[in-house]
Amino acid sequence: SQKIEQNSEALNIQEGKTATLTCNYTNYSPAYLQWYRQDPGRGPVFLLLIRENEKEKRKERLKVTFDTTLKQSLFHITASQPADSATYLCALPGGYNKLIFGAGTRLAVHP
Amino acid sequence: NAGVTQTPKFQVLKTGQSMTLQCAQDMNHNSMYWYRQDPGMGLRLIYYSASEGTTDKGEVPNGYNVSRLNKREFSLRLESAAPSQTSVYFCASKTNPGQGATNSGANVLTFGAGSRLTVL
Repeated sequence: SQKIEQNSEALNIQEGKTATLTCNYTNYSPAYLQWYRQDPGRGPVFLLLIRENEKEKRKERLKVTFDTTLKQSLFHITASQPADSATYLCALPGGYNKLIFGAGTRLAVHP
Repeated sequence: NAGVTQTPKFQVLKTGQSMTLQCAQDMNHNSMYWYRQDPGMGLRLIYYSASEGTTDKGEVPNGYNVSRLNKREFSLRLESAAPSQTSVYFCASKTNPGQGATNSGANVLTFGAGSRLTVL
């Protein structure tokens, strides 16, 4: 069955450093991949979408890569700030009109 | 423009009680979804509705029923609550990006703030 894996351990980094989060998937050939941000007590918020024919996509301090051979996406936040602390979810299309989510990785940026 | 609104935010039930979670969106989206989120398990799809008048089962539909009352509203009902249904429930609707938009054809979701349900 389709499976999405994200590191369950929290990622702790120092302010100003680059945070890198990983999303791996199996039994899957997705046409695109998405990243969402979720703050405590709130619903996920869409950040970025990258398609299978795109190697990299950027939005301000965010960068996403998509390696369909490795079945992996990397999500980078450069010059990280304490306000970037949140849980980041990876999501893939799970059939017509559906989206499947990974469990998310919690990022903590320390001043 | 409120986006996706869920009620209630918090609810405590006893085993066997019933309740309905309400969801409404004001973005004129066709597709709506109900997910549950449990620690370490991520978001799991319970039911979805591709359009008004249609509903389909997701990954974990047992113990739930849904109603797509109109284009705006999609409710989730627990007929006989069980402790295993203790969770945070999220309603979402699917963005309709315009033709040629970078997200065109993709299932980009807008979520509500969630409803935390505890079943004792």
